Amino acid sequence: DAKTTQPNSMESNEEEPVHLPCNHSTISGTDYIHWYRQLPSQGPEYVIHGLTSNVNNRMASLAIAEDRKSSTLILHRATLRDAAVYYCILNYGGSQGNLIFGKGTKLSVKP
Amino acid sequence: AAGVIQSPRHLIKEKRETATLKCYPIPRHDTVYWYQQGPGQDPQFLISFYEKMQSDKGSIPDRFSAQQFSDYHSELNMSSLELGDSALYFCASSLGRQGVSTDTQYFGPGTRLTVL
Repeated sequence: DAKTTQPNSMESNEEEPVHLPCNHSTISGTDYIHWYRQLPSQGPEYVIHGLTSNVNNRMASLAIAEDRKSSTLILHRATLRDAAVYYCILNYGGSQGNLIFGKGTKLSVKP
Repeated sequence: AAGVIQSPRHLIKEKRETATLKCYPIPRHDTVYWYQQGPGQDPQFLISFYEKMQSDKGSIPDRFSAQQFSDYHSELNMSSLELGDSALYFCASSLGRQGVSTDTQYFGPGTRLTVL
């Protein structure tokens, strides 16, 4: 599976936007980019996914670079509840769908 | 909305004992995944099932086995438990076409297994 690289940790202030970067320089044309997050003591939770175009949903936005070698998860207004580990995961379009979790980014949100 | 149910939530076992973890997927979901998360580690994929057949296998020890039943619930059986098996075990479900990679996975709250 293609590898992703994320910062170990990031900090944000409450109610400010947060941009979480992910590098995936070896991404192939059929790899989808998925983001999941894991709040403390909970199971991972789906955030968003995309292939080539930018995507928006009620939780976040996903901005994908034109060459697809990087992407950014955008939380428009961070809340204390957004403090979690965020995982950027590549998932081959034809695979069985299991998620390969790497080292995510631990996001801290300050009040 | 109904979520993935896992039982038990906590389990304490002695070394060399056996354990059975259960997972009840979201209604109408036909694909189940099992993940293991050791202390301070990231989740690791163990095994998955689609329509009661094993669809993929990750780093699951030979001491572990799993199956999906006709009502789509799944059980993870763990034998000859070792101290290193102490971890959180998550089950996830999706409405998949044999685990197509765009299908969202919904995770349960996990079972915390402690082996003494």
